[in-house]
Amino acid sequence: NAGVTQTPKFRVLKTGQSMTLLCAQDMNHEYMYWYRQDPGMGLRLIHYSVGEGTTAKGEVPDGYNVSRLKKQNFLLGLESAAPSQTSVYFCASSQLGWVAEQFFGPGTRLTVL
Amino acid sequence: RKEVEQDPGPFNVPEGATVAFNCTYSNSASQSFFWYRQDCRKEPKLLMSVYSSGNEDGRFTAQLNRASQYISLLIRDSKLSDSATYLCAVIGPMDSNYQLIWGAGTKLIIKP
Repeated sequence: NAGVTQTPKFRVLKTGQSMTLLCAQDMNHEYMYWYRQDPGMGLRLIHYSVGEGTTAKGEVPDGYNVSRLKKQNFLLGLESAAPSQTSVYFCASSQLGWVAEQFFGPGTRLTVL
Repeated sequence: RKEVEQDPGPFNVPEGATVAFNCTYSNSASQSFFWYRQDCRKEPKLLMSVYSSGNEDGRFTAQLNRASQYISLLIRDSKLSDSATYLCAVIGPMDSNYQLIWGAGTKLIIKP
């Protein structure tokens, strides 16, 4: 089992460009999450999904959109990248929601110039 | 005030020593508590859950103090491989829902 995978691993964007980060999990988990991690701050939840076809906003959703068309995939989109979105993005999944262990992908390091 | 606070460290500890650090949470309605470990430039991984009665796993002991609203992590006989950042996570109310809220982490460096 690959667990949780993320593509790409690194990306550099110019301000105003768009991109999509892909997260895939092979554990048949219902819940999936997108976080960003910045120095000196905890992981902050961007969006999450409690099942195929459903998404919900987290703590810092502005500037991001998500889609969960298939149970195993959770996409994070940046429509018009800004330097404030420079961060490390982690995707995670869990079987039973918040109380269950979250399994993380290796992260995507995004720099917006 | 942050929802979940941790001393960022670093804690520099000699190999074999015992080290402990705390994580405080601000909302008394918080329900479940966890310690995750994150190696440099890697993803977080669950270290242990924190139960009301405490939890021990080998050299690691986690405790919950609801009255003072903090959780603790104790590492005995520390190893070089314990060097990492330790993140606490708390399920607490956020807007109209419950979510997992993360501390910024405590960095631990074990020295030979």
